[in-house]
Order: sequence, then C-alpha cells, then structure tokens
Amino acid sequence: ELKVEQNPLFLSMQEGKNYTIYCNYSTTSDRLYWYRQDPGKSLESLFVLLSNGAVKQEGRLMASLDTKARLSTLHITAAVHDLSATYFCASYPLRGAQKLVFGQGTRLTINP
Amino acid sequence: GAVVSQHPSRVICKSGTSVKIECRSLDFQATTMFWYRQFPKQSLMLMATSNEGSKATYEQGVEKDKFLINHASLTLSTLTVTSAHPEDSSFYICSARVGVDQPQHFGDGTRLSIL
Repeated sequence: ELKVEQNPLFLSMQEGKNYTIYCNYSTTSDRLYWYRQDPGKSLESLFVLLSNGAVKQEGRLMASLDTKARLSTLHITAAVHDLSATYFCASYPLRGAQKLVFGQGTRLTINP
Repeated sequence: GAVVSQHPSRVICKSGTSVKIECRSLDFQATTMFWYRQFPKQSLMLMATSNEGSKATYEQGVEKDKFLINHASLTLSTLTVTSAHPEDSSFYICSARVGVDQPQHFGDGTRLSIL
C-alpha cells in the first residue's frame, strides 16, 4: 500500500529565505504531484512530475523527483509572504488501484 | 482547460436534512470522478471513486448508504449526504480525470455545515 509522507508538517520562515519541503513515498511510483491549498479553498495544481530526474520550476518554486530514492522535493527560493499556504504532494501507486494518495500537507507560513 | 465546477460552494442546513453536491467537468469528459472529505487542518481523505455508468467504489469506513454517489454522465457526478448530522460537517472536494494516466482536476470544494 502506497504511503506518502511529508516533512516538515509545519514551517515558519522569514521572507527572503530558502527552504525545502520533502515528500517520501513508500512504494514504486512514476508520478508525483504537488498542490497548493489556501485556507478555505480547494487544491491548485502546481507541478506534475512524471519521470526520474524531472525538475520543474515556476517562479520561486522548484520541484524535483527521484524515483530511485522515492523522494520529491519542493524548493522555495527567496520566499515571499504570498507563498504562505499548505502544500500537498500526492502520488499514484505503480500497480494496483489508481487512487491518488496524499501526504499530510506542509503548512508554510512566511513572515515579513 | 480542464475545469471542474462544484456546486454549491457552501451549505448550511439543519440536522436530518439531505444535501446534494454536484461536480461537473465543464470542458472534458471525465471517465472517473473522485470524492474527498477534508477536516480542518488535515489532508484529503478519499471517500469514493465514481466511474460513469457504474456503482461507486467506497473506501473502507465510508457508509455508502449515508453518502450516495451517482455518476450518470461523463460530465456529472453527485454526492448526496443523507440525513446529515453535525458530524458530517466538513469540506467536500470532488475531482475528475479523463483516463487512468491523466492528472486529476479538482473542484472548488463545498463547505457543509450541519446545525
């Protein structure tokens, strides 16, 4: 059974700093998704990572996937307050039921 | 493209009422739709998977008689919370996808409050 774990679950940081959110998954998968959720809102798709070594960047966010290590990272560069949100990673198991499995979420607070 | 519309966005009703939530894929045909429930400050919990024209597959612990799912067409799935009680209050989110290897697209969610 696929399990997805994020680290850290809570992150408070200063504007201008860099940080990384980690997403580990327990069984073989070839797809990893990152979502953003603002309070009271639904999920916004950020990145879709479909192969080992995939790296995608959008503004101050960069996501990567290492399928051998079963690890994805979401790196935040020079954080700004607008990036405060909860970030989820999610994956499908390579075999078995095609149900998206979510991590616990990382609540990111960026202080001025 | 790939817009999923969920309605209503917020419902407040009395205990014992049944509430229907609609999920529509506006610009694509969704062979599969998913219904999630999210408690405050928690992750999304999959309730059921709905394939067009067939019965929904419920996750363990989800009462299928309580949460009725109908996926009558390739663009519409509905979730009916029957005889809702305060413990059913939650944020419900639907998603839809075209096919097995395709990404899911999420609706805006429905906040259900049962008094």
